Amino acid sequence: AQKVTQAQTEISVVEKEDVTLDCVYETRDTTYYLFWYKQPPSGELVFLIRRNSFDEQNEISGRYSWNFQKSTSSFNFTITASQVVDSAVYFCALSERNTGNQFYFGTGTSLTVIP
Amino acid sequence: DAGVIQSPRHEVTEMGQEVTLRCKPISGHDYLFWYRQTMMRGLELLIYFNNNVPIDDSGMPEDRFSAKMPNASFSTLKIQPSEPRDSAVYFCASSLRGDDGYTFGSGTRLTVV
Repeated sequence: AQKVTQAQTEISVVEKEDVTLDCVYETRDTTYYLFWYKQPPSGELVFLIRRNSFDEQNEISGRYSWNFQKSTSSFNFTITASQVVDSAVYFCALSERNTGNQFYFGTGTSLTVIP
Repeated sequence: DAGVIQSPRHEVTEMGQEVTLRCKPISGHDYLFWYRQTMMRGLELLIYFNNNVPIDDSGMPEDRFSAKMPNASFSTLKIQPSEPRDSAVYFCASSLRGDDGYTFGSGTRLTVV
């Protein structure tokens, strides 16, 4: 079974629009961590955020914000006022304390921001 | 810090040849991971090390793949013999504690013809 589901395969938005990338996870552990990574066209994987299971506070970093809701097992990522440089593939990932330190990556959402 | 350093960036080789990918993790990181990324299968964990010891190699596709970490600052992933289906981007990542987030290298794009 897929532990991390990113149902949106591809999204296109026009510059300056807001966009939300969905991430749903599945775990039985009480201690776990959630992550978002960005993979721009150049190919590298860039760490964006880490959130542990005991901290449901939403986080904002500039134009980026993350909404963590344990009740729905979701960790969604919103980009406000999108820019062309935001075009990339975004991966959500889960790490469970009880299964060692392996990350489970979602299949990624490809975001295209049209100028 | 220079980050995680992988070499080579690109590798083109003929089927049947041996390929060796190299990785230098961030100094002080106790965990090192090898991932493979393809369009069909996404990001797959191949193997990871903790303090130079292989912990989980269940993702290694078959006996043609082997990985070593002779010291804290160097790891290799070897494919022998290589096959066209091994064509992918191979990422190395390191982590301080394992659950604190990875730092990825730039990847090695392998093409086996």
